[in-house]
Amino acid sequence: DADVTQTPRNRITKTGKRIMLECSQTKGHDRMYWYRQDPGLGLRLIYYSFDVKDINKGEISDGYSVSRQAQAKFSLSLESAIPNQTALYFCATSPDREMRTGELFFGEGSRLTVL
Amino acid sequence: AQSVTQPDIHITVSEGASLELRCNYSYGATPYLFWYVQSPGQGLQLLLKYFSGDTLVQGIKGFEAEFKRSQSSFNLRKPSVHWSDAAEYFCAVGFLSGGYNKLIFGAGTRLAVHP
Repeated sequence: DADVTQTPRNRITKTGKRIMLECSQTKGHDRMYWYRQDPGLGLRLIYYSFDVKDINKGEISDGYSVSRQAQAKFSLSLESAIPNQTALYFCATSPDREMRTGELFFGEGSRLTVL
Repeated sequence: AQSVTQPDIHITVSEGASLELRCNYSYGATPYLFWYVQSPGQGLQLLLKYFSGDTLVQGIKGFEAEFKRSQSSFNLRKPSVHWSDAAEYFCAVGFLSGGYNKLIFGAGTRLAVHP
């Protein structure tokens, strides 16, 4: 089983609908992240969480919200989806606050299409 | 502002040929540098990282990268490419910003391998 699990893996929805992407991890890491990947743009950070009580906005948080339900669970919500939120979304974890470890552990991605 | 540039969007090499993927960064101090690989349908996996010391770093799957401060570059190399190396490769720069460790990704280079 994957250490970082994302559900759903694929979702097609319509403009204006609410959508939630879920992420769970078995790595025991405190830090969790949501990234968005668009062709030619690489990965951009949406939100990140140091622990259950510490949630922070990333580069492109507008139109998104998150919930850290437990150390192992971090959900991303689109309250009213729009077509330019069509993208591949990744959840990632890391073990500590120090950049020197540098390693993020990624889920397999959730492909979202907004019609 | 900090940035990462991967000049090559697509690269095609023959199996057994050598490979070099370019990465240039913009940052005032010595950053932390990373290369990640994304295989089709998968999340990103760390190939290697540079923090300090020896400027030539070895990674997994036979990859290496060289940090050149004078050129603000961190190019990824492999002496002999295998068909399984076909994937998308992302360079990333890590640094402290606003009290948290930030990771900026390049746009990625997609590698195709011909038999």
